[in-house]
Amino acid sequence: NAGVTQTPKFRILKIGQSMTLQCTQDMNHNYMYWYRQDPGMGLKLIYYSVGAGITDKGEVPNGYNVSRSTTEDFPLRLELAAPSQTSVYFCASRHRGGTDTQYFGPGTRLTVL
Amino acid sequence: KNQVEQSPQSLIILEGKNCTLQCNYTVSPFSNLRWYKQDTGRGPVSLTIMTFSENTKSNGRYTATLDADTKQSSLHITASQLSDSASYICVVTLYNAGNNRKLIWGLGTSLAVNP
Repeated sequence: NAGVTQTPKFRILKIGQSMTLQCTQDMNHNYMYWYRQDPGMGLKLIYYSVGAGITDKGEVPNGYNVSRSTTEDFPLRLELAAPSQTSVYFCASRHRGGTDTQYFGPGTRLTVL
Repeated sequence: KNQVEQSPQSLIILEGKNCTLQCNYTVSPFSNLRWYKQDTGRGPVSLTIMTFSENTKSNGRYTATLDADTKQSSLHITASQLSDSASYICVVTLYNAGNNRKLIWGLGTSLAVNP
């Protein structure tokens, strides 16, 4: 299994541009998450999904959108990028129930100039 | 306020030495406490998980302890290796009977193991 994969690994955006961060998992996990990690800060939850067609906001959803059309994919959309969105973005997934251990992707480093 | 505080912020040790990282939390209601290891440029990886009734959990050279009364946890690394250089993050899960359980993340301890 590849686990959780994210693309791209790095991206530089200009202010006002938009982009989609891709996340795919092949573990048939119901739950998927998007986090951002700023330097010296803990992970902040942006959005999460408990299954295909169901998404909900986390702590810091402003400026982002998500969709979950399949179990495998959970893309994160940035509209009108701002410098405050410069961060490292992690996607994670887990099974429903059990120990609720989340499995993380390698991250996408985004810089908005 | 639900918070997780870790100490020290950073630590440098020599290869082969032991070290202990600390985590204090003020999270209620408590579900479980997890230690993650995050290598530079990578996503976090779960090392151990402990529920309210568990005092100790080991994973190879990593041993985590939990004192639910004082709301403290520690992660002890034995015979450190260069590959242990990473950030170690303490995460406490809020008890929630619903679909999603909220995680409270610490800021991590950055460990550097030098030869």
